[in-house]
Amino acid sequence: SQKIEQNSEALNIQEGKTATLTCNYTNYSPAYLQWYRQDPGRGPVFLLLIRENEKEKRKERLKVTFDTTLKQSLFHITASQPADSATYLCAPGDNFNKFYFGSGTKLNVKP
Amino acid sequence: NAGVTQTPKFQVLKTGQSMTLQCAQDMNHEYMSWYRQDPGMGLRLIHYSVGAGITDQGEVPNGYNVSRSTTEDFPLRLLSAAPSQTSVYFCASSYSIRDGSGSPLHFGNGTRLTVT
Repeated sequence: SQKIEQNSEALNIQEGKTATLTCNYTNYSPAYLQWYRQDPGRGPVFLLLIRENEKEKRKERLKVTFDTTLKQSLFHITASQPADSATYLCAPGDNFNKFYFGSGTKLNVKP
Repeated sequence: NAGVTQTPKFQVLKTGQSMTLQCAQDMNHEYMSWYRQDPGMGLRLIHYSVGAGITDQGEVPNGYNVSRSTTEDFPLRLLSAAPSQTSVYFCASSYSIRDGSGSPLHFGNGTRLTVT
């Protein structure tokens, strides 16, 4: 069955540094991969989508890479701010109806 | 435009009781789904629907029923609550995820359910 792995340990970084979060998946071939942000007590919010034929996607301070050979996506936040502190979820997607999520990585950005 | 609305926000049930978690969206989304989120386990898909009158099971459907009589509403029914169903439940909707376009999911803010 499909497996999506994100680092369960919190990532603690200093304000201004680049945060890098990892998403690895096994046993399926997604057509695209999405990243979401979740704040405590709230539902996840969509951030970025990258397709299988794209190596990299950027949006403001966010950058996502997608390596279908390694079955891995990296999510970068440059010039991180305390307001970036949240849990980040990855979700590889295919053309079918079931949409699965990783368990998320909590990011703490310290001022 | 309210997005995805879930009610109630909090609920406490006794073992064996039944209840319905409500979910409504006003974005004319074709696809709707229910997830539960437990510590360390991420979001797990319970049931989903690709349109009015069509529903199917996700990863963890046992103990839950759904129906989709309208495009807007997708209620989740717990038939006989068990302590193992203590969780946070999220409803999500999207235009479609079958066309490969990767339409993002829009989530409600969840229902926190405790079964004693």
